[in-house]
Amino acid sequence: DTGVSQDPRHKITKRGQNVTFRCDPISEHNRLYWYRQTLGQGPEFLTYFQNEAQLEKSRLLSDRFSAERPKGSFSTLEIQRTEQGDSAMYLCASSARDRDSGNTIYFGEGSWLTVV
Amino acid sequence: RKEVEQDPGPFNVPEGATVAFNCTYSNSASQSFFWYRQDCRKEPKLLMSVYSSGNEDGRFTAQLNRASQYISLLIRDSKLSDSATYLCVVNLNTDKLIFGTGTRLQVFP
Repeated sequence: DTGVSQDPRHKITKRGQNVTFRCDPISEHNRLYWYRQTLGQGPEFLTYFQNEAQLEKSRLLSDRFSAERPKGSFSTLEIQRTEQGDSAMYLCASSARDRDSGNTIYFGEGSWLTVV
Repeated sequence: RKEVEQDPGPFNVPEGATVAFNCTYSNSASQSFFWYRQDCRKEPKLLMSVYSSGNEDGRFTAQLNRASQYISLLIRDSKLSDSATYLCVVNLNTDKLIFGTGTRLQVFP
């Protein structure tokens, strides 16, 4: 499978615990995005990387959230001291701007987080 | 005001019907526009890009009105398999996609 892959697909954690999600983008895609989606809402932008540089962070990304892309390939999203309000689907996406595809973004299947 | 606004629906239509979804966006600097489809508990997938001149892909037609900051999607001859949530998406010149809340479509036999 050469699409965007995310791990784990589902995570149930107790409030106050830390969780980490991993995203492997499509090969050669230099842009990587993290979004969060709750029921009945569209995906909300969290942050994005171009290669290893984190270019933008949403104000939704509180101090408890940190994202990295150390070698410009896979990325991790860590949530510290989880709260029930963090329960959501965390979507990773990647893109490669070029003349043919413009900036088409491809999503992974998402990582579902439930905080109990 | 939300950056991208859509009627959440649901739109319940019979097979074979024509249905239209509308979307407005607030940032006049928006560069590109898309419709994504999302099935229940699945990831969003690109349905089609939206061009200023309007564009068609089979039963789907997308229109853009930059002056009114308005985007539309028309689905003709609805199929049961069209049942999904349709997300209006706007791309600012920062390459960041902004999603609407989505419009839910249910096609019934």
